[in-house]
Amino acid sequence: AQRVTQPEKLLSVFKGAPVELKCNYSYSGSPELFWYVQYSRQRLQLLLRHISRESIKGFTADLNKGETSFHLKKPFAQEEDSAMYYCALDGGTSYGKLTFGQGTILTVHP
Amino acid sequence: ETGVTQSPTHLIKTRGQQVTLRCSSQSGHNTVSWYQQALGQGPQFIFQYYREEENGRGNFPPRFSGLQFPNYSSELNVNALELDDSALYLCASSSRRPNGQFFGPGTRLTVL
Repeated sequence: AQRVTQPEKLLSVFKGAPVELKCNYSYSGSPELFWYVQYSRQRLQLLLRHISRESIKGFTADLNKGETSFHLKKPFAQEEDSAMYYCALDGGTSYGKLTFGQGTILTVHP
Repeated sequence: ETGVTQSPTHLIKTRGQQVTLRCSSQSGHNTVSWYQQALGQGPQFIFQYYREEENGRGNFPPRFSGLQFPNYSSELNVNALELDDSALYLCASSSRRPNGQFFGPGTRLTVL
């Protein structure tokens, strides 16, 4: 069975502070992991794919297979980063079947 | 490039009724997945359609069924609605892994 855990439901930081959103997973195969973000009144959108090793809007995430984690990090948070963040694991069919965590609401205060 | 669209935006039904939700996939995507998102929860995978066939199913009863059409658009049908079916239903389209899935705005279903 595959599972994704985001231990923090709420996370508050001040503008300019570092932020880390935690994600742990359990999966018996080789995982493909994603971060999705949902800004207020907008649809769920893809933020990062671990396989791309990219940085989007200053966010990065490293897959740590030993700790089964895929934490999302940003060195200097901005107010516009305030949103709901979901970690998701892709397993199953060739075209993807996402298992989502419960989500973390990030609030960046001015 | 056209994004994923869903209709209707909102829907209110009563217990025991049937509902059909619709989704048009993003241009260039041949796979559609459906998710249910209850309040305060992450989305849960219902099933996926590829080339008009069901291609994987989550832990949902048979009264949740679907279709995919030759133009890759899709329908989600739910029979014998229950109160717990009240949720946001999300459609996502994709091409090959691991490019990720791209979501529509959702249909908010309320069952009274």
